[in-house]
Amino acid sequence: ILNVEQSPQSLHVQEGDSTNFTCSFPSSNFYALHWYRWETAKSPEALFVMTLNGDEKKKGRISATLNTKEGYSYLYIKGSQPEDSATYLCASLGGGADGLTFGKGTHLIIQP
Amino acid sequence: NAGVTQTPKFRILKIGQSMTLQCAQDMNHNYMYWYRQDPGMGLKLIYYSVGAGITDKGEVPNGYNVSRSTTEDFPLRLELAAPSQTSVYFCASSQGPYGEQFFGPGTRLTVL
Repeated sequence: ILNVEQSPQSLHVQEGDSTNFTCSFPSSNFYALHWYRWETAKSPEALFVMTLNGDEKKKGRISATLNTKEGYSYLYIKGSQPEDSATYLCASLGGGADGLTFGKGTHLIIQP
Repeated sequence: NAGVTQTPKFRILKIGQSMTLQCAQDMNHNYMYWYRQDPGMGLKLIYYSVGAGITDKGEVPNGYNVSRSTTEDFPLRLELAAPSQTSVYFCASSQGPYGEQFFGPGTRLTVL
């Protein structure tokens, strides 16, 4: 079974500040790395799907990078806003596991 | 376009009862998934399907069964409910094995 680790577990950030958090995953037999945004009382929504080493994707103020050789991905949020408050999940596809293996998430709270 | 729909939203079961959680998608996705989400844990894959008539076990399949008679529907069956099956259940679908997954709103199940 894959072990996908996310850190930190939770994070308080002041509005306007930038922040980042980490997802680490086994690099063997890697196929894809997903990032999801999960707001309270809603369902997870996809942010990015990345497959290539060195991949960098951006959506507005949010971006992500991928290093498949060392098995990590960073998610960056620039100029945090209160609506960015959510749990951010990463999930890895590969390593012999069936389907996505999810991390436990980073719970982000933006303080006005 | 409703996306992924799940019914019911909430359910309380007694130990030993059975029930079926319904999931449907209208995006013509071949891949469908069932996850459970427990407090402090990541989403765990219960079962998945790569197309009508084809299903396979995920990480935590014990106590559950699935069927996939059509592309649209992927019901999850609990035969003898146990307190350990108290959880929030999410159904998801994707176009292919690597693509972003679209999640339903979830079913909160309590077994007493």
